[in-house]
Amino acid sequence: EPEVTQTPSHQVTQMGQEVILRCVPISNHLYFYWYRQILGQKVEFLVSFYNNEISEKSEIFDDQFSVERPDGSNFTLKIRSTKLEDSAMYFCASGLARSGNQPQHFGDGTRLSIL
Amino acid sequence: SQKIEQNSEALNIQEGKTATLTCNYTNYSPAYLQWYRQDPGRGPVFLLLIRENEKEKRKERLKVTFDTTLKQSLFHITASQPADSATYLCALALNNNDMRFGAGTRLTVKP
Repeated sequence: EPEVTQTPSHQVTQMGQEVILRCVPISNHLYFYWYRQILGQKVEFLVSFYNNEISEKSEIFDDQFSVERPDGSNFTLKIRSTKLEDSAMYFCASGLARSGNQPQHFGDGTRLSIL
Repeated sequence: SQKIEQNSEALNIQEGKTATLTCNYTNYSPAYLQWYRQDPGRGPVFLLLIRENEKEKRKERLKVTFDTTLKQSLFHITASQPADSATYLCALALNNNDMRFGAGTRLTVKP
């Protein structure tokens, strides 16, 4: 069964550095998402992406975040200048259609640790 | 303010019993509601989806109800097994692309 893959599984970065988290969504999916989950807390929506542009973003997704689908297969989340509070699990998800009417398929996440 | 509340942080039941998990929401009008399972260190895995005009949905040992008047969904696992132990998340899907997750209920099924 096709799956969403995320790399790296664990990223350790110094505060203030840029980090890029990578995802390969399921190949025929059209909608792409990033979520984060701070340890022990709930899964929080960051951004959705469709047709090469952002569809929706949450208040968490401020100017230090950006997303890109550079080559038709990868979907990346960039954090420009990381802060300690960016430490979390970051999940990528993809879906065939808008989120409500179709399930979202999640990767197993990248654990981001900011030192 | 908008809230999604799942009844308890943790639920412990005996193998073979029915687990019932609750998801209540306020100040949302979701068109769809989804349930996911999350194991430690893994991403959420989709289980069931129910639409606002559906009262009940079943899949094998799973059953979901959706009451838009009460603003509540119930998630049942019948004949529970230790392998059902996980955190279960409800998620409200709005008419736009947003999905909002509850904090989850950690279910432990004891043999």
